[in-house]
Amino acid sequence: AQSVTQLDSQVPVFEEAPVELRCNYSSSVSVYLFWYVQYPNQGLQLLLKYLSGSTLVKGINGFEAEFNKSQTSFHLRKPSVHISDTAEYFCAVSPQSGAQKLVFGQGTRLTINP
Amino acid sequence: DAGITQSPRHKVTETGTPVTLRCHQTENHRYMYWYRQDPGHGLRLIHYSYGVKDTDKGEVSDGYSVSRSKTEDFLLTLESATSSQTSVYFCAIIEGQNTEAFFGQGTRLTVV
Repeated sequence: AQSVTQLDSQVPVFEEAPVELRCNYSSSVSVYLFWYVQYPNQGLQLLLKYLSGSTLVKGINGFEAEFNKSQTSFHLRKPSVHISDTAEYFCAVSPQSGAQKLVFGQGTRLTINP
Repeated sequence: DAGITQSPRHKVTETGTPVTLRCHQTENHRYMYWYRQDPGHGLRLIHYSYGVKDTDKGEVSDGYSVSRSKTEDFLLTLESATSSQTSVYFCAIIEGQNTEAFFGQGTRLTVV
């Protein structure tokens, strides 16, 4: 089974500041890793994903994430945030084999202050 | 949006009544999922389907049942709604384990 822990439920930052949203996971099998974003009153959309290869992956809207296998982490970063980045962010994992299921973390609410 | 439509978008119902939520997709995807979203819990999987009449339980399946009689529709039923089932419900399709999931717009269900 898989589990995902997002270490911060809320992260307030000022506009143009850098931000890091932390994600740790646990799994007995190899997994694929994802970050999704949910803007207010909307469904979820994919920010980025790690499947294999380079541990640094780039996504939409200037976000990037780094996979660290030894620490079982997949932290999301952005060097300079904008008001429009205000949203809830979800880390998720999916097993590379077996039942095809996406397991989510609890979510981190990112609030950008002017 | 990968052609996913959820209905209704909002519903208020009384405790003890049956409720059915519908997820409709237009792109013939094999895998369909029902999640519920609650503050502090993220999205939790209720049930999923890997084909017509093939379904399985997720982590929070108690009190819910599903049916998939045709590829395009995946129904979630609360046989006797309780206040603890007040939530936002999302339907999703996933094309493959290494590909992204596409979500519907959600159904906000309130049980009073």
